[in-house]
Amino acid sequence: GAVVSQHPSRVICKSGTSVKIECRSLDFQATTMFWYRQFPKQSLMLMATSNEGSKATYEQGVEKDKFLINHASLTLSTLTVTSAHPEDSSFYICSARETLPGTQYFGPGTRLTVL
Amino acid sequence: AQSVAQPEDQVNVAEGNPLTVKCTYSVSGNPYLFWYVQYPNRGLQFLLKYITGDNLVKGSYGFEAEFNKSQTSFHLKKPSALVSDSALYFCAVRVMNRDDKIIFGKGTRLHILP
Repeated sequence: GAVVSQHPSRVICKSGTSVKIECRSLDFQATTMFWYRQFPKQSLMLMATSNEGSKATYEQGVEKDKFLINHASLTLSTLTVTSAHPEDSSFYICSARETLPGTQYFGPGTRLTVL
Repeated sequence: AQSVAQPEDQVNVAEGNPLTVKCTYSVSGNPYLFWYVQYPNRGLQFLLKYITGDNLVKGSYGFEAEFNKSQTSFHLKKPSALVSDSALYFCAVRVMNRDDKIIFGKGTRLHILP
């Protein structure tokens, strides 16, 4: 099946710093990528939808200036958590969608810990 | 409103027994339905999907799901459970409207007892 990679898998940073997470579709082109956040023992919360070559669409309540998304190519999207705070600590998962029927394939996730 | 419901937070099944993880949906139009599995500290892995055609869909690791339009259900099944099937399972539906995104159920934790 299609493979989506995510890097880094785990990151620890100090409060106030910025962290960039990369998401790549390895064997298919993805015009649309998604970024999710997952809290312990909860479902995935969609943060934003990223379309190649255009601005990301953020879900209600997600700060676009804090969570910067760039979808520079058909195989790469990045999420930058700016001025990170401890409450940003979470498991971030990206997903890339193939063309119809639109199966989404997920990356392995990035565990962010902000000290 | 478009939604996906997984009525069980947790399902316990003895190894070797058949398992069922329930999912019902509410969408307008024809649904695109998916099942994903998540192991601890990992992303989601695609198991199977229903788009059209045969109501019984076969997927990875011996799993299958049955699409029932009249009951708006898409239950995940496996004839004989393995301990390694223990994980978190998510049902999802693709909403084909202006937003065009996937909606996930809250997840069902499956425990296979040895």
